[in-house]
Amino acid sequence: NAGVTQTPKFRVLKTGQSMTLLCAQDMNHEYMYWYRQDPGMGLRLIHYSVGEGTTAKGEVPDGYNVSRLKKQNFLLGLESAAPSQTSVYFCASSLTSGRGDTQYFGPGTRLTVL
Amino acid sequence: AQSVAQPEDQVNVAEGNPLTVKCTYSVSGNPYLFWYVQYPNRGLQFLLKYITGDNLVKGSYGFEAEFNKSQTSFHLKKPSALVSDSALYFCAVRVFYYNQGGKLIFGQGTELSVKP
Repeated sequence: NAGVTQTPKFRVLKTGQSMTLLCAQDMNHEYMYWYRQDPGMGLRLIHYSVGEGTTAKGEVPDGYNVSRLKKQNFLLGLESAAPSQTSVYFCASSLTSGRGDTQYFGPGTRLTVL
Repeated sequence: AQSVAQPEDQVNVAEGNPLTVKCTYSVSGNPYLFWYVQYPNRGLQFLLKYITGDNLVKGSYGFEAEFNKSQTSFHLKKPSALVSDSALYFCAVRVFYYNQGGKLIFGQGTELSVKP
C-alpha cells in the first residue's frame, strides 16, 4: 500500500514551458486535492476533485488545469509556466470531505521556473 | 472570514522540556481541527484531529492538543521534546461551502527546533 505518490520529485522549467504533475493514490479515495506550498504562506488549495470525472477550483487556480480521468489519478498541468509558479506542490486524497475525514499527502514535487 | 493563525514562526525548545505550538482559528459553526507535521523534504503527515468530545486529543509520536472553545485555540503539546521532533508543524481547520464539501484551510506553519 503506497498511499499517495507523486511524479516527478523535482523539475526545472523555463518560462513558457508546459508540464504535467501526476498524483496517484491506492486507497480508493473519492476526493483528491492539489496544493502549493510557499514559505510563510502554508498550503493553498489549487484545484480539487470530488470524484472521477469531476474537478473544481480552489483558492489559487489561475495558471493551472487539472484532470481526473481515473479515480486513482489526479493530474495537474501548467500550460505556460511562470516564475511565480516556482513552489512545492503537494497532492492529497481523502475518502470523503466529511467533518472528521483525514487528508493524506504525497511527498511533494519541487518545481523551479526560470 | 474563516481562517487559521499560527502566531509563532519558530519555537525553540531544549530536549526534555515540554513544548507548545500555538494555533488559533476563526470559523462559523463547529470547528474541525487538524495538526500535521512536515519533516525536511517530506510530505505532510497527519498527527491528530479534534472533531467533538474530549477537549484533550491524543495523537501520534506522543503529541496531544488541547481544544479551547472560549479562546478559539487548538495548541499542540508534548510533555518532553525530542531532537527528532524538529520539523515544520501546520494547524488546519475544515470549512464547508455550499455544494463543495469540506476543505482544509492551513495556517502558515511553525518551525519547531529542539536542541540537545
